[in-house]
Amino acid sequence: GAGVSQSPSNKVTEKGKDVELRCDPISGHTALYWYRQSLGQGLEFLIYFQGNSAPDKSGLPSDRFSAERTGGSVSTLTIQRTQQEDSAVYLCASSLQSTGGVYTIYFGEGSWLTVV
Amino acid sequence: DQQVKQNSPSLSVQEGRISILNCDYTNSMFDYFLWYKKYPAEGPTFLISISSIKDKNEDGRFTVFLNKSAKHLSLHIVPSQPGDSAVYFCAASAGQTGANNLFFGTGTRLTVIP
Repeated sequence: GAGVSQSPSNKVTEKGKDVELRCDPISGHTALYWYRQSLGQGLEFLIYFQGNSAPDKSGLPSDRFSAERTGGSVSTLTIQRTQQEDSAVYLCASSLQSTGGVYTIYFGEGSWLTVV
Repeated sequence: DQQVKQNSPSLSVQEGRISILNCDYTNSMFDYFLWYKKYPAEGPTFLISISSIKDKNEDGRFTVFLNKSAKHLSLHIVPSQPGDSAVYFCAASAGQTGANNLFFGTGTRLTVIP
């Protein structure tokens, strides 16, 4: 597709269940980012992948959160044993490169997660 | 701790008038600032940026002003149009090192009244 694609667009899950959120970046983009926005908060950086380098996981809020990127393209963000405070919109973004201008990042539409 | 703050959650402006969206930051190391615009059910899209070596950057109807001493920036939209109605996020980074070092504000919802 032409843009960053995320699925599911909406997910309601019970507390304690695991969820997987998928991101398909723009073709050819080497950098991929995950952000989340909780109610009343700004966008919070979670994790960043750049090519074959080790990911920057510095933003992950707990060890219940993990992400992988297979083949340098599609990424999956996994949240284990979900808690109500995990409810947020999870945004994926990609860019051609990670340096030389942060304005080159393109966001997907987000996955709205509600933990009940 | 929010390093980038947008203290006005919402703003309403009449069509044709000026919209002024404000943003404050606390980290004096920030030297690159961006504004993103977000429509409902869409991801944020880049709007305009400014480097700390400048105090103003203009792009059509959009102008961003930076006051480093006050750690304050603002986005001016003149004239405002109904299509400008969206949530506007301010973001800052210490160097253009990628979106993993971007700090976002909480956003201001702008409504332009026809």
